[in-house]
Amino acid sequence: EAGVTQSPTHLIKTRGQQATLRCSPISGHTSVYWYQQALGLGLQFLLWYDEGEERNRGNFPPRFSGRQFPNYSSELNVNALELEDSALYLCASSLVGSGGNEQFFGPGTRLTVL
Amino acid sequence: AQTVTQSQPEMSVQEAETVTLSCTYDTSENNYYLFWYKQPPSRQMILVIRQEAYKQQNATENRFSVNFQKAAKSFSLKISDSQLGDTAMYFCAFMNNNAGNMLTFGGGTRLMVKP
Repeated sequence: EAGVTQSPTHLIKTRGQQATLRCSPISGHTSVYWYQQALGLGLQFLLWYDEGEERNRGNFPPRFSGRQFPNYSSELNVNALELEDSALYLCASSLVGSGGNEQFFGPGTRLTVL
Repeated sequence: AQTVTQSQPEMSVQEAETVTLSCTYDTSENNYYLFWYKQPPSRQMILVIRQEAYKQQNATENRFSVNFQKAAKSFSLKISDSQLGDTAMYFCAFMNNNAGNMLTFGGGTRLMVKP
């Protein structure tokens, strides 16, 4: 069974640009989560999508947004990039988002903002 | 808001020995879940062990076990018979069913298993 996949592996952008990160969940999983792993800040929850809807959002500005497609894959968009957006962005998926279901993580996208 | 604290940024252990990683959390909720995740160098994060707060029995997965002290809000991970492949960052995480399925992570403990 294929795990959670993310693309691209690495992404280099300059300040002010937009970045788009993609995630494909494990087959059968309807929930997709995004986390930011920044140096010195640890792992922080960004967004949760389930059945195409945004269900929860972490403490991040509106320039962090995303969507979930009918096939349950997801995109994370970061607009007006800032230097501090440089981080590893992890996507995770789970079965129905309740009951403490295990979240399975992808390998991440390393975003570097110059 | 929930917080998770891992007080040991780095630890080391000799191969075949036992090591315990500490984790404390703060919450006013009664129904929640606790997790330990492992992130090997340059590899994906994987779940090590999971505990439901309403279960008094400590979870065990092969060489990995937890000591869950609900009143003390403590959730430590014990690794027995440590192996070189256990070298990784270990994250303790908390999930409250009423807070939108987000995982709140501790800062992590970097564990080095020495031959």
